[in-house]
Amino acid sequence: DAGVTQSPTHLIKTRGQQVTLRCSPKSGHDTVSWYQQALGQGPQFIFQYYEEEERQRGNFPDRFSGHQFPNYSSELNVNALLLGDSALYLCASSIPGQGREKLFFGSGTQLSVL
Amino acid sequence: GEDVEQSLFLSVREGDSSVINCTYTDSSSTYLYWYKQEPGAGLQLLTYIFSNMDMKQDQRLTVLLNKKDKHLSLRIADTQTGDSAIYFCAEIFISGGYNKLIFGAGTRLAVHP
Repeated sequence: DAGVTQSPTHLIKTRGQQVTLRCSPKSGHDTVSWYQQALGQGPQFIFQYYEEEERQRGNFPDRFSGHQFPNYSSELNVNALLLGDSALYLCASSIPGQGREKLFFGSGTQLSVL
Repeated sequence: GEDVEQSLFLSVREGDSSVINCTYTDSSSTYLYWYKQEPGAGLQLLTYIFSNMDMKQDQRLTVLLNKKDKHLSLRIADTQTGDSAIYFCAEIFISGGYNKLIFGAGTRLAVHP
């Protein structure tokens, strides 16, 4: 049973560019959340997707957007990259209803903005 | 407000017990968590506790919850070098159709011979 998978593992971009990160949830999970982890900090909630809709957003600007596909996989898009967007981006999946308290994380995508 | 605080660093000798502490602010949190992060890796769910419990034990791990003081601790018995990692305390906020975790900044555990 594959866990949460993310791609790519590492990415280098320059300021002003756009980036797309991908996530496949754990088998049987239909809810996907994205978190940003800056160096030396704990992860911060970006947003959550369920039934192909954004259900909740954290304190992140509109440059951060996402999408969920019918197979429950998800993408995180960041436009107009800033140096401060350099971070580890983590995807987490869970199931709705009972059991939604367990969130499983992928290994993340390390984004470096130069 | 939403805030989770942890001490940043802990150093222990191999074979000793480690105790990592955390305080949180949201008394309505139903679950509290401990995640482990090794260098260059994602987050591994170690254990979690329901808020109406005081203690949970899972092999070498013991979680203690003091809901009155909003204090959570993780005890690792017989600490090994493979336990060296960053440990994150987190609380969950569940509302309607969504859930989110609020993390502390992490405690770096260093295990030395």
